[in-house]
Amino acid sequence: NAGVTQTPKFRILKIGQSMTLQCTQDMNHNYMYWYRQDPGMGLKLIYYSVGAGITDKGEVPNGYNVSRSTTEDFPLRLELAAPSQTSVYFCASSYSNGHDGYTFGSGTRLTVV
Amino acid sequence: AQRVTQPEKLLSVFKGAPVELKCNYSYSGSPELFWYVQYSRQRLQLLLRHISRESIKGFTADLNKGETSFHLKKPFAQEEDSAMYYCALLRNAGNMLTFGGGTRLMVKP
Repeated sequence: NAGVTQTPKFRILKIGQSMTLQCTQDMNHNYMYWYRQDPGMGLKLIYYSVGAGITDKGEVPNGYNVSRSTTEDFPLRLELAAPSQTSVYFCASSYSNGHDGYTFGSGTRLTVV
Repeated sequence: AQRVTQPEKLLSVFKGAPVELKCNYSYSGSPELFWYVQYSRQRLQLLLRHISRESIKGFTADLNKGETSFHLKKPFAQEEDSAMYYCALLRNAGNMLTFGGGTRLMVKP
């Protein structure tokens, strides 16, 4: 049982490049989330999804896009990378709307130079 | 707007000492609070939920609505408790967790 799988684990991007952070869960969870973690700042919600075909913005969505074509996958897209997007990105999922807690992926450490 | 505040970025105690990690929140609705923990080189994981009123790994947390607090406590800290701890508030509208800034707990031998 893999849980929530994120790829890649590390990535260095140049300013202006684009990339997709992959997130897959095998628990048949309806709810999925993307957070970024900046030092000393806790986790900030970027985007979330309550089911396939449905996505919505979180607290810090600017510079990102998401899609949810299947229940399992919730990729996060950075179109024009900026140094401010240097962070650790976490994907999470939950069966219910969070009452039983989230299951987190292991994170992607992204550096934009 | 909802907010979760963890006033201590770092808490250092000796093994066997009591531990209290502070968490304060602001929320206009009925709060649902959690503690998450991240051990070194591991992913973030749920430690406990206030609605369960459970004790996990010797940790407990009581929701105090009057003081809007949800402090995490353990009577005798162990070295393996060293980790990053996050308090989180579940916002019913939008089903989102709002996290505090985290507290790093270091338990010295």
